[in-house]
This record gives sequence, C-alpha cells and structure tokens, in this order.
Amino acid sequence: DGGITQSPKYLFRKEGQNVTLSCEQNLNHDAMYWYRQDPGQGLRLIYYSQIVNDFQKGDIAEGYSVSREKKESFPLTVTSAQKNPTAFYLCASSRPPLGGGYNEQFFGPGTRLTVL
Amino acid sequence: AQSVTQPDIHITVSEGASLELRCNYSYGATPYLFWYVQSPGQGLQLLLKYFSGDTLVQGIKGFEAEFKRSQSSFNLRKPSVHWSDAAEYFCAVATGTASKLTFGTGTRLQVTL
Repeated sequence: DGGITQSPKYLFRKEGQNVTLSCEQNLNHDAMYWYRQDPGQGLRLIYYSQIVNDFQKGDIAEGYSVSREKKESFPLTVTSAQKNPTAFYLCASSRPPLGGGYNEQFFGPGTRLTVL
Repeated sequence: AQSVTQPDIHITVSEGASLELRCNYSYGATPYLFWYVQSPGQGLQLLLKYFSGDTLVQGIKGFEAEFKRSQSSFNLRKPSVHWSDAAEYFCAVATGTASKLTFGTGTRLQVTL
C-alpha cells in the first residue's frame, strides 16, 4: 500500500531536549510538508520541500529544523528553541502538477508530541 | 495575503438532516480550493477539490461543494448526514508556485442520533 507513515504516534520529551519526528512516503512524491496543529488554530505550515536537498521555511519555522536527503524522507526536529512544542504534527506530500496548477496533498496519521 | 475563514467552530446536526459548512477565502487570483476531513487523532483525508470548470464539485462520501466567486465562498454540503460523518472539517486554499496550503481553523461536526 502506498502512503505516508509517521512515527511514533505519541512522543513524550522533557523540556529542553531536541526531538526528531519521522515522516516517510512511498508515493514517489517530490514535495513534502510539515504542519503543526493546535486546537482552534487549524494547520500551520512549518517547513516544506519541493525537491531533495532543498527546503523552505513556512509560516512558523522558528524552533524547528528539517532535512531532505532522500525523496522518501523528511524528518522534522523540534529544538529546545521552540517555546511551545506540545502539539499534533502532520506530514504531507504531493506530486508536482503537470503543466502548472496544483495537486492535492496527502497526509500522514500524525505524531502527538507532549513536552513535559 | 491569502486567508480562509470558517465562521462556524462547532455545528450539531441530527442524523439524516442536511448539512452546510461555510468557507470564505481571500485571494487575489483564481484559487485552488479544498475540503479535508479529520477524525480525532488522525490525519486529513481529501473530500473534494475545485480547480476550474464546473463550480459544483462532487466528492467522496456523498459530499459536494459549490464555488461562488462573487461571494468568495466554497461551502460544503451533504443532503443527509450519517453518524459516521462526525469529525472536523477543514477548508483550504492553495496559493503560489510552491503549492502551499492555507487552512481555515476548522469546523467540528457533531451528529446526534
């Protein structure tokens, strides 16, 4: 089955520790995205990558870092600089549209991070 | 800058009743519009999308949405709601060359039996 996997589903960390969230896709999509979801705020874009070895900041990148060494993988590190890291994190991917336009994003099941 | 407004935070409907979830967007050019659904603790699933053409689009699970440019709206509808439709619904607009999505804050749907 093709899809996006995120692990772990639940993650607990102590304040001040860095933590890395995994996102893997086997859809052969070029673009990948990380969102943060907080109650009542919808989804906010953290980082996105349109191609391997390249990525751009989204709307709320401070305190986060990413890498894109492989097409299939786009891990997100929540650093100790992120002031309020407890949230639900969603990874998504999409393939580039042919001839312009847009293609929908496919989402993983999410990781709930709790910082104690 | 683009934005999406979902004015209803929480809606409750009876099973079998009709449903309309509101979505208004702000974007200068022709938007690409989406509705996603999220069950508790899960990822998002695409219900339907509008890119161009017929302004009434059909989606999965019996949902449809109508794009009205004059009202900057893309409201989601279903003629008869099922208990399994209880979830959170997000409207989104895609903008720019990077295919980024801007989401509304969501509408939580509760279905009473």
